[in-house]
Amino acid sequence: EDQVTQSPEALRLQEGESSSLNCSYTVSGLRGLFWYRQDPGKGPEFLFTLYSAGEEKEKERLKATLTKKESFLHITAPKPEDSATYLCAVRHSHASGGSYIPTFGRGTSLIVHP
Amino acid sequence: SAVISQKPSRDICQRGTSLTIQCQVDSQVTMMFWYRQQPGQSLTLIATANQGSEATYESGFVIDKFPISRPNLTFSTLTVSNMSPEDSSIYLCSLWDGFYTFGSGTRLTVV
Repeated sequence: EDQVTQSPEALRLQEGESSSLNCSYTVSGLRGLFWYRQDPGKGPEFLFTLYSAGEEKEKERLKATLTKKESFLHITAPKPEDSATYLCAVRHSHASGGSYIPTFGRGTSLIVHP
Repeated sequence: SAVISQKPSRDICQRGTSLTIQCQVDSQVTMMFWYRQQPGQSLTLIATANQGSEATYESGFVIDKFPISRPNLTFSTLTVSNMSPEDSSIYLCSLWDGFYTFGSGTRLTVV
């Protein structure tokens, strides 16, 4: 069964305290791993796409990495405005052989205290 | 990247009624998706909607309950029919444009 698992479910950090979020996946025919940020009451906002093991992407205090089984979202010196839910999704071939569809993890709720 | 306008942003509905959610895209896209997101949960795919063909529904979702319209490449609607309190959730439309872009969501409360 295709699965995307994110850990931890919730993370509380002090401002400036760096940490990492994990996204592990077991899907067939991976066609991309995506990271999103979702603020309460809003739709997910795109952050990164990773396609192959060893690939890394950076944006401000965020850095995403990918291996064959998991991805990490590293947050360096976070600020309170980084508080949000971070979602991981993988795009893969559909079980029925149809078009590629995304499967989302449950997300990690990040709170950064000042 | 494409921009999606989703309406309404929220609604409170009586059980047994129906609500239609609209998504307008500022460019032509082939594939659109509809999701449900319950509090504290991940996004659950309801169906994939391609213009000119019937929507493809995921397990647990049926067309009679969630009919989808895709009349052209810039517009789609999802109707939540014969609503019950269990349908209270956030509904999101999305498209594939090199990555997944989402609408702002519709927060539905059924009373």
